[in-house]
Formats: sequence, structure tokens, C-alpha cells
Amino acid sequence: KAGVTQTPRYLIKTRGQQVTLSCSPISGHRSVSWYQQTPGQGLQFLFEYFSETQRNKGNFPGRFSGRQFSNSRSEMNVSTLELGDSALYLCASSATSGGSGELFFGEGSRLTVL
Amino acid sequence: GESVGLHLPTLSVQEGDNSIINCAYSNSASDYFIWYKQESGKGPQFIIDIRSNMDKRQGQRVTVLLNKTVKHLSLQIAATQPGDSAVYFCAENGSVRNTPLVFGKGTRLSVIA
Repeated sequence: KAGVTQTPRYLIKTRGQQVTLSCSPISGHRSVSWYQQTPGQGLQFLFEYFSETQRNKGNFPGRFSGRQFSNSRSEMNVSTLELGDSALYLCASSATSGGSGELFFGEGSRLTVL
Repeated sequence: GESVGLHLPTLSVQEGDNSIINCAYSNSASDYFIWYKQESGKGPQFIIDIRSNMDKRQGQRVTVLLNKTVKHLSLQIAATQPGDSAVYFCAENGSVRNTPLVFGKGTRLSVIA
């Protein structure tokens, strides 16, 4: 069974640009969550999608958005990038919604903003 | 609000010794807790979980202890090996249904050969 796949693994952007990250969950999983990981803040929850609907949203500005497709694949977008957006963006899939079950994480997309 | 924290940010252990990683949580209504391991350059990997109706759960070389009275969670690793070197996170699900997991900031475990 293939794990969670995130693309791209690494990317470099400049301030003001926008970026789109992709996540393919484990087959059969309908929940996809996104987390931002930085050395100072640890893992911060961005949002969760379940069956194409946003179920939960973390405390991030509107520049951070996401969506989920009918095949459960998810994308997140960050517009007008700032230096502070440099982080590892982790996607996790789960068979259930919310914090009721195990999250399976991908390897992450490491974003560097210059 | 909810918060999940750790007593120690770093822990160094001699190979073969047992490791204990601690975690404090603030939401007494949380009913599900997970420990994750994150190796350098990789995403977090599930180690073990425990629900609030249990005090202890054992896996292969790992044991999680839950003390609801003092809102404390610990991960014990028996016979620590170099491959156990990683950052360990605890996470709780909070009290409201369908809320996401909240992660602590992590403890780095270094195994000394």
C-alpha cells in the first residue's frame, strides 16, 4: 500500500510569489490534513479536508488556502509569500476525520522563501 | 486554550539504556493521545497511541503511560538503539469532536553509542 506522497519535495520562491503544494493520500483515505512545521513553532495545524469539504481550519492568514479533489488528492496554496512562510509543509491522511485516528504523514515539502 | 508541551527539549541516552520522554497536556477532556517519531528529513511516523480509558499501553520496545490525574503522558523506549535517535512528538485530540490533533513541540532523543 503506497504511503502519502507530497510534491514537490523542495522548492525555493521569492517574497511575493505564490506556491502550490500537492498531496496524494493513502488509497481509501478521505481525510487530508496539512501542517506547517518550523523549528520554533513545531507542527501547526493549517486545515483538514474530508470528502472535498474543509472540516477544520487553523489560525493562519487567508493567504493560506487549500482544496481537495474527488479522488481525495489535496493541494494547498500560499499566496504573496513572506520570509516567515519558509517551513516544512506536511500532509497527513487518515481514514477518519478529526483527531479520532492515526494520521499518516508524507515526507513533506520544504519551502524556502528568499 | 489547548496546549501540549514537553518537559525536556533534548534527551541524551546511552545505547542499551531505557529512555523516557515526557509530555504534559492541558486539556483534561482530551481522550486520544499519540506519539510520533520524526527522523531527519522525514515526516513523522506513528509509534503508539492510547485512549483515555487506559493507563498503559505496550508496543514493541515502547510503552506509553497516561496519568490523567496530573495530565501527563510519557513514552518509554526499552534498550534504546542508535536508530531511535529522532525527534519525538506527543499529540492530543482535544475535547471537541472532529478537532484536529494538537502537537507538542518535540523532544530530540540522541543515543550515544
